[in-house]
Amino acid sequence: EVELVESGGGLVQPGGSLRLSCAASGFTFSSYWMTWVRQTPGKGLEWVATINQDGSENYYVDSVKGRFTISRDNAKNSLYLQLNSLRAEDTAVYYCGGGSWFDYWGQGTLVTVSS
Amino acid sequence: QTVVTQEPSLTVSPGGTVTLTCASSTGAVTSDNYPNWFQQKPGQAPRALIYTTSNKHSWTPARFSGSLLGGKAALTVSGVQPEDEAEYYCLLHNGAGWVFGGGTKLTVL
Repeated sequence: EVELVESGGGLVQPGGSLRLSCAASGFTFSSYWMTWVRQTPGKGLEWVATINQDGSENYYVDSVKGRFTISRDNAKNSLYLQLNSLRAEDTAVYYCGGGSWFDYWGQGTLVTVSS
Repeated sequence: QTVVTQEPSLTVSPGGTVTLTCASSTGAVTSDNYPNWFQQKPGQAPRALIYTTSNKHSWTPARFSGSLLGGKAALTVSGVQPEDEAEYYCLLHNGAGWVFGGGTKLTVL
């Protein structure tokens, strides 16, 4: 059974940092592009970042460029998102997803940026 | 900055047919935008339904179909079931990354 489990969310002050993790199982993690998506409570989905199979290519939405970094460790079947210089508008549930075409999704981890 | 537009809400009767659309501010949506469709119910993660315009995942019910229609991506649900009440999101590739539409709240009434 495919499973994606996010962790690392929490309450952080503006300007602070967090590192989100996503543990994958049940599929060949190293074969697929992986993605982070976020959702502000009560609002729509926003694509955040995507990384290719070996980590050599990554893409970001403009609003997080220079602040967030997506990475992966194929030996650990894990995806990461380093969030720096956090702002109130980064408050959201962060989902990791992947597969051939965004097939699989975790249940999300909540990041709250507030003083 | 690409803006992807969906109908904010639609209502359909059980057993009916409804089409949701997905438009891009940069012009006609084509297969090169690799349209994807997702379903999301309250408190749940998104669930993938359609990829690359019209391809179904193994778990996608047959009543869901994807297409290109009048310069937009479209998701048609034929024979709507009560459990199809949900938010539906399209996702388009714009060359620099991906952009979600604002979502369509589908009510089955």
